[in-house]
Amino acid sequence: DAGITQSPRHKVTETGTPVTLRCHQTENHRYMYWYRQDPGHGLRLIHYSYGVKDTDKGEVSDGYSVSRSKTEDFLLTLESATSSQTSVYFCAASGGLAAREQPQHFGDGTRLSIL
Amino acid sequence: QQPVQSPQAVILREGEDAVINCSSSKALYSVHWYRQKHGEAPVFLMILLKGGEQKGHEKISASFNEKKQQSSLYLTASQLSYSGTYFCGTVPRNYGGSQGNLIFGKGTKLSVKP
Repeated sequence: DAGITQSPRHKVTETGTPVTLRCHQTENHRYMYWYRQDPGHGLRLIHYSYGVKDTDKGEVSDGYSVSRSKTEDFLLTLESATSSQTSVYFCAASGGLAAREQPQHFGDGTRLSIL
Repeated sequence: QQPVQSPQAVILREGEDAVINCSSSKALYSVHWYRQKHGEAPVFLMILLKGGEQKGHEKISASFNEKKQQSSLYLTASQLSYSGTYFCGTVPRNYGGSQGNLIFGKGTKLSVKP
C-alpha cells in the first residue's frame, strides 16, 4: 500500500540475537512509524521519525532502537531479542505538514518469532 | 490514554447495519478509522478533524462528537467485504508539535455472514 515495503516478511530467531527490520517507502513521506501488534492490545507505537535522522520514542520503546539515514528507509533494531518481542511489526508512513491530519499508510507487516 | 472501542465484536447478516464506538478520556484533535482484514495490513478509511464532522466512504460513514470525546463509525447495508477488525486512532488535542502520533484502540471485530 502506497509503496511501503517491509523486509523480511517472516523471521524466526533465538533469544539474545540482534534483529533488524527494514521499512522502505517510495512516496517521499516525511513521517514514518514502527508499531507492534499483539492480540488484545491493538497497534502500539514503538518509535517514529519526523525526518532524516529525527526520531523519537513511542509508547513501547524499551528494547528497540531505530535509525533513518535516508527519507525512504526506516530501520527497527532489537539489540538483544527476547521472547516478549515476538509479535507482528508494522511500518507506516504519512506525509504532509501535519501528520495528525494525514492518513497513515501501512506496510504488509513482519511476523517475528523469538524462541 | 488508549481509546475504548465498543463493542469488542459484532456478528451481522448481510444487509444489516452496525455502529462501532470510540471513546477517549482526553480532548481530541482528530479521530482516524482503519480496517484490517485477517493477515493483512490496516487500511485507512477516514479522518475526522472537527467536532461534529461527518464523513462518508461508500456505505461507511463516521461522526465525531468533540464535546463527548467520542467518534462513531456507521456501516449500513453491510456486505461480506466489510468483515475485519476496525480500529480507531485518536490524536489528543494537547499534543505538542505536528507529529500527530495516533493512539489506537484495541479494535472491534466485525463478521458479516451470508
